[in-house]
Amino acid sequence: GAVVSQHPSWVICKSGTSVKIECRSLDFQATTMFWYRQFPKQSLMLMATSNEGSKATYEQGVEKDKFLINHASLTLSTLTVTSAHPEDSSFYICSALTPGHNYGYTFGSGTRLTVV
Amino acid sequence: GDSVTQMEGPVTLSEEAFLTINCTYTATGYPSLFWYVQYPGEGLQLLLKATKADDKGSNKGFEATYRKETTSFHLEKGSVQVSDSAVYFCALRPGANNLFFGTGTRLTVIP
Repeated sequence: GAVVSQHPSWVICKSGTSVKIECRSLDFQATTMFWYRQFPKQSLMLMATSNEGSKATYEQGVEKDKFLINHASLTLSTLTVTSAHPEDSSFYICSALTPGHNYGYTFGSGTRLTVV
Repeated sequence: GDSVTQMEGPVTLSEEAFLTINCTYTATGYPSLFWYVQYPGEGLQLLLKATKADDKGSNKGFEATYRKETTSFHLEKGSVQVSDSAVYFCALRPGANNLFFGTGTRLTVIP
């Protein structure tokens, strides 16, 4: 079956630094990946959709210069939180579009980001 | 717009108790509805789904029925086990690739 590996599972960083989160498809090619964010007691919210080899499509209200998404290969998408601030502390989850598996979506295990 | 409202947790039950986690939705058209489960340290996994009104999704003893008249998709299980402890997410897919999620409900089952 399709498996998505997300790293790191948790990270603590200082304000003003950048953090990169990786999302890898282990046994399939992921042409489309999604990045979600969840604040405490709120829903998982879609941040952006990335297609391999092209620019990501960001949802309204998500700063594309702050949340850099790179999907340069069919097995790897990365989310970089630049100049992180405490309000960026959240739970980030990636998923890959997997037609024919898991009814279309396979999720990573998520990354808990804490900015101090 | 499309949205999902899910029962807030956490929920703590004794083993073999009956479980209900409420989920209601708002959507235009005819969305597909899902329940996802996230066990500790793992990614979200599809638990069950329903694609049209009156469909019942079921898996691992869990059930949910797509009720268009009440715009609901409540998750139920007759007898929970310790191994069911996890976070449960209700979600809808309006037709495009996007999924809209609820807030998630953490279930803890104690022996």
